[in-house]
Amino acid sequence: EVQLAESGGDLVQPGGSLRLSCGASGFTFRNYALSWVRQAPGKGLEWVSGIGGGGGNTHYADSVEGRFVISRDNSKNMLYLQMTSLRAEDTAVYYCAKSGNYLGSASFDYWGQGTLVTVSS
Amino acid sequence: DIQLTQSPSSLSASVGDRVTITCRASQDISNYLAWYQQKPGKVPKLLIYAAFTLQSGVPSRFSGSGSGTDFTLTISSLQPEDVATYYCQKYKSAPQTFGQGTKVEIK
Repeated sequence: EVQLAESGGDLVQPGGSLRLSCGASGFTFRNYALSWVRQAPGKGLEWVSGIGGGGGNTHYADSVEGRFVISRDNSKNMLYLQMTSLRAEDTAVYYCAKSGNYLGSASFDYWGQGTLVTVSS
Repeated sequence: DIQLTQSPSSLSASVGDRVTITCRASQDISNYLAWYQQKPGKVPKLLIYAAFTLQSGVPSRFSGSGSGTDFTLTISSLQPEDVATYYCQKYKSAPQTFGQGTKVEIK
């Protein structure tokens, strides 16, 4: 059974940093691209960042480019999102989502339960 | 970047009704379009990919159609458990944008 479990969400002050983690099991981790998708309270889904199966192919939404860094450790079946210069508008539930292929050019067939990031003073 | 526009933003229909949601892309995305269902307080769930392929386990009352720039999600007979917000997504290349969502309620 495929499982994705996010952690690391917290209350952080504007300008602060936070690292999210996503642990995966139930599939051959290195063979699939992964993404982070967020959802602000009462709002829709926003794709944030994606990474290919090998880790060398990364992409970011314009809203987080230069502030967030996605990475993965295929030896530990872990996905990460390092977030810096956080803003109030980054407040959201952050989901880890598995792509249907290595490159990431596929829909998201499994999602984690999400972790809440709140940016507030 | 390619934008996705869903319509309507919300709808209310009776149990058993046929419901149609549309998603329009600002550029041709071939058939690289998915539909997701998010029930209140729950995680998004993949319903359809490649514009019309039903994900395993999804009831057959859900169907998708379209290619290029215009796509449709249809629920052939609305059920109470279909109350949710539905999102389309383009996924061939980044950014893998979502539509703004369509909230479906029971009348």
